[in-house]
Amino acid sequence: DAKTTQPPSMDCAEGRAANLPCNHSTISGNEYVYWYRQIHSQGPQYIIHGLKNNETNEMASLIITEDRKSSTLILPHATLRDTAVYYCIVTDGNQGGKLIFGQGTELSVKP
Amino acid sequence: GAVVSQHPSRVICKSGTSVKIECRSLDFQATTMFWYRQFPKQSLMLMATSNEGSKATYEQGVEKDKFLINHASLTLSTLTVTSAHPEDSSFYICSAREGLTSGRAPGELFFGEGSRLTVL
Repeated sequence: DAKTTQPPSMDCAEGRAANLPCNHSTISGNEYVYWYRQIHSQGPQYIIHGLKNNETNEMASLIITEDRKSSTLILPHATLRDTAVYYCIVTDGNQGGKLIFGQGTELSVKP
Repeated sequence: GAVVSQHPSRVICKSGTSVKIECRSLDFQATTMFWYRQFPKQSLMLMATSNEGSKATYEQGVEKDKFLINHASLTLSTLTVTSAHPEDSSFYICSAREGLTSGRAPGELFFGEGSRLTVL
């Protein structure tokens, strides 16, 4: 079973920041938080990952709470092409890269 | 970024026939590949993990004799759906992981475009 909880859907206005929350209250010390997204009828795409510190790359920022029980993915300036299902996944290196997907959040970016 | 390609992207077959789906890593060597299936309006379900040169490890409830997985080289894994039936109709997606020396995180995978199977 997935170890994360996400809201099933969210809306965001084009050009505004999209903040997608994820709860992972049972995360263990050696587990990372990964974010992927899946645009309709395509394979998932890696976005970002983190362990303890906040992370930023060209796609997004990841904010992890100090107790690591939750995180937020931030798309700073959402575009229509960011409409997708966003998955928050927790896994450790011992799983060999095995990812278990939950239900994710369906983000709709509206003009 | 690394590219993973699946073929065919769409396939329609008659009930009782077998269908092979290929997953290739185009510009890197994939020591591990994963196969998922996805039904409409649902999330991805992991079917199996395959490591080059060894037998695949199947998730609980996935029939290994039904879904044959071969990972004969570092750039190719195949999934064969044997004696397909309408309930096997689904979106099949593969993903690949580079070797440990790539510098990538263990959970940073590259996914194919998916293969949509329709069994009549």
